[in-house]
Amino acid sequence: AQSVTQLDSQVPVFEEAPVELRCNYSSSVSVYLFWYVQYPNQGLQLLLKYLSGSTLVKGINGFEAEFNKSQTSFHLRKPSVHISDTAEYFCAVSDRNFGNEKLTFGTGTRLTIIP
Amino acid sequence: GAGVSQSPRYKVAKRGQDVALRCDPISGHVSLFWYQQALGQGPEFLTYFQNEAQLDKSGLPSDRFFAERPEGSVSTLKIQRTQQEDSAVYLCASSGLQETQYFGPGTRLLVL
Repeated sequence: AQSVTQLDSQVPVFEEAPVELRCNYSSSVSVYLFWYVQYPNQGLQLLLKYLSGSTLVKGINGFEAEFNKSQTSFHLRKPSVHISDTAEYFCAVSDRNFGNEKLTFGTGTRLTIIP
Repeated sequence: GAGVSQSPRYKVAKRGQDVALRCDPISGHVSLFWYQQALGQGPEFLTYFQNEAQLDKSGLPSDRFFAERPEGSVSTLKIQRTQQEDSAVYLCASSGLQETQYFGPGTRLLVL
């Protein structure tokens, strides 16, 4: 079984300040890792994903995340946030095994940008 | 180039009514997933199709929930005898095999 923990339910950040959204996971098997963003009344949009290779992954809208296997973490970062980054952010994992591709999500972090 | 579409976008049902939620995946996508997102929570997996075959239905919360994808394209999630605890946003996602899942806008179900 897999689980994802997002410790921060809400994160307020001033505009143009840096931000880090934390994600830790547990799994008995190797996993793929994802960050999705959800704007109000919209579906989920993929920000970035880690499948293999370099542990630093760059995504859309200036976001990046670093996979740390020893700490089982996949924290999301952005050096300078904008008002438009206000949204809910979800970390997710999926099993690497073929045929078992369902995503297990964390409870989400609401990012609020303060002008 | 349309994305995943879902209908209706909003549904209000009286407790005990049956509802049917539709998902139109991206053309050519083999895999289709249904998730349930309760208020203030992350999405939770319900069921997974590969073409018309339902390979995993371990997340369906009760036998009142039923999903089908008879021709390997459009899918319908049916909830019989709705209960208040079924109120949630139901998300559909589609993908190629072992590829990124693309999500629809969801159907917001409110059971009164």
